[in-house]
Amino acid sequence: DTAVSQTPKYLVTQMGNDKSIKCEQNLGHDTMYWYKQDSKKFLKIMFSYNNKELIINETVPNRFSPKSPDKAHLNLHINSLELGDSAVYFCASSQRLMTSGDQETQYFGPGTRLLVL
Amino acid sequence: GIQVEQSPPDLILQEGANSTLRCNFSDSVNNLQWFHQNPWGQLINLFYIPSGTKQNGRLSATTVATERYSLLYISSSQTTDSGVYFCAVRGSGGYQKVTFGTGTKLQVIP
Repeated sequence: DTAVSQTPKYLVTQMGNDKSIKCEQNLGHDTMYWYKQDSKKFLKIMFSYNNKELIINETVPNRFSPKSPDKAHLNLHINSLELGDSAVYFCASSQRLMTSGDQETQYFGPGTRLLVL
Repeated sequence: GIQVEQSPPDLILQEGANSTLRCNFSDSVNNLQWFHQNPWGQLINLFYIPSGTKQNGRLSATTVATERYSLLYISSSQTTDSGVYFCAVRGSGGYQKVTFGTGTKLQVIP
């Protein structure tokens, strides 16, 4: 009964490859996010989707392309992987976006540790 | 964009001690959350607290929005409290992203 799940947990790949990370939430939330945590533990938002619609797209290279087939899923595809893409990628969800009250409380998945060699 | 600073960056406590972690932000906010990232990397939401005070067991948090800071209190610390504590804010006015602070790394020793 995991609330926010991600697959895979670990991903080791060569530079130049294309890879995908999947995220699913069973909380019935409308909003999902992707975050990147670098080696210094700094967390930065990459994308935010609300009801399958892209809301926030930070200054992320075009090689990163999120896809939300439905409200419960938000996948991240990365083309032409580079050494600097090595990080932990977190998926998160919240009941709503930009509302008052704690409906914006975010619930995080376990993270995907990506290592590009 | 909004700047979020946390202090102290590192903290070592003896088990049973109390501590206060601080989060300063550079602009008005309408969303503030505290998270704990445990040593295994899992991020757990502790509080949603854009203003006021909340308590949950040994943890409590206070946000003084007008003065642009939030405090997280940990009482009677336990080794399981070790990890990194982040505050995350979303600025008010318009459509703004959530910005995380740099974190406070806490180590509780027995």
